[in-house]
Amino acid sequence: AQSVTQLDSHVSVSEGTPVLLRCNYSSSYSPSLFWYVQHPNKGLQLLLKYTSAATLVKGINGFEAEFKKSETSFHLTKPSAHMSDAAEYFCVVSDQGFTGGGNKLTFGTGTQLKVEL
Amino acid sequence: EAGVAQSPRYKIIEKRQSVAFWCNPISGHATLYWYQQILGQGPKLLIQFQNNGVVDDSQLPKDRFSAERLKGVDSTLKIQPAKLEDSAVYLCASSLDRGHEQYFGPGTRLTVT
Repeated sequence: AQSVTQLDSHVSVSEGTPVLLRCNYSSSYSPSLFWYVQHPNKGLQLLLKYTSAATLVKGINGFEAEFKKSETSFHLTKPSAHMSDAAEYFCVVSDQGFTGGGNKLTFGTGTQLKVEL
Repeated sequence: EAGVAQSPRYKIIEKRQSVAFWCNPISGHATLYWYQQILGQGPKLLIQFQNNGVVDDSQLPKDRFSAERLKGVDSTLKIQPAKLEDSAVYLCASSLDRGHEQYFGPGTRLTVT
């Protein structure tokens, strides 16, 4: 069984300050982990993914995440927030041991990021 | 490259009515997914197709939900009869094949009154 827990449902930051969105995962196998972003009235977009290569993963728009197996965490960070970063962010786990259909994604409940001037 | 298309974008129906959603995946993508996203929750996989065959429908409420992908391209998801708790955004996604990145459409927001 696989699951993710996003520790904050809402995060508010000022423009130009760092962003930290927290995610813990649970998986029976070596997981693949993803962060997706969802802007209002738009489809989910992949920000970055970890698939057992480098533990520090760089994504689009200056975001990055670090896989920490000992802490079962995959937190998303960005050094400096921009107004356009305001959106909902989902942490997602894919259990590579899943044999039914491959690449089954389990989503967290989401973190709403608000960026203030 | 065109993305995943979905229609309608919004739908309001009364309980016990039926409704259908349509999805056109990215050209050449063999795998198609339908997700349900209830307000305040993350998307939950309802059904996964590989070409025109069902790979996983373990989370699909089969007494009222049905889906098909007859020619291995477009897909429709139907609810009959709808319940209040079916109010959600229904997302369609496609990927080149199993295990590849999933690309999501904008979703259909369903409100059941």
